Amino acid sequence: QQQVKQSPQSLIVQKGGISIINCAYENTAFDYFPWYQQFPGKGPALLIAIRPDVSEKKEGRFTISFNKSAKQFSLHIMDSQPGDSATYFCAASMLGTNAGKSTFGDGTTLTVKP
Amino acid sequence: DTAVSQTPKYLVTQMGNDKSIKCEQNLGHDTMYWYKQDSKKFLKIMFSYNNKELIINETVPNRFSPKSPDKAHLNLHINSLELGDSAVYFCASSPIGGTTNEKLFFGSGTQLSVL
Repeated sequence: QQQVKQSPQSLIVQKGGISIINCAYENTAFDYFPWYQQFPGKGPALLIAIRPDVSEKKEGRFTISFNKSAKQFSLHIMDSQPGDSATYFCAASMLGTNAGKSTFGDGTTLTVKP
Repeated sequence: DTAVSQTPKYLVTQMGNDKSIKCEQNLGHDTMYWYKQDSKKFLKIMFSYNNKELIINETVPNRFSPKSPDKAHLNLHINSLELGDSAVYFCASSPIGGTTNEKLFFGSGTQLSVL
């Protein structure tokens, strides 16, 4: 049973455009929703994260939108740049002793064309 | 300074062999993990240790045995390697307690190829 569903699998965007990646979760006990960015040959790195008590979080060009009732959250990359080309993973976890047991989405490969 | 370092970066071996991957973190974190990333880039947790104690053990063949000599180190030993074990294995760590215990810090991965 996949607890976090991510879409699209791949995304191609022109430089300067907006990249949008969506995730949906099933377990209402999840209370931490991070996004990780992974470049080829590297490990994933935390990009931005949100808790369900807010509907939006913005850090620079990256914004998470969170819809608790729909159990969905999305990553928006404004003014996408070729350097943003990477694989993006959404994840969900629960605070507490098993907080690190993050459930990851299947990943989205983003290509930003110059 | 590398926060989470794992060795080797590449590991090529024959079926049936036994191999180990080492991981060390210098972040002072209490919790360490092993994740497996397959060829489709799916990330799946395998094990988690909190201060040398096993706290998460997902459905992983018992050919895989993690060992944590201290809270800064978590090694992964794999016996009788199979073709299906080929993947990238990531070590990660996270702090425990407070409101930051969810953030995972990943190593750069070990690409295991079983021939």
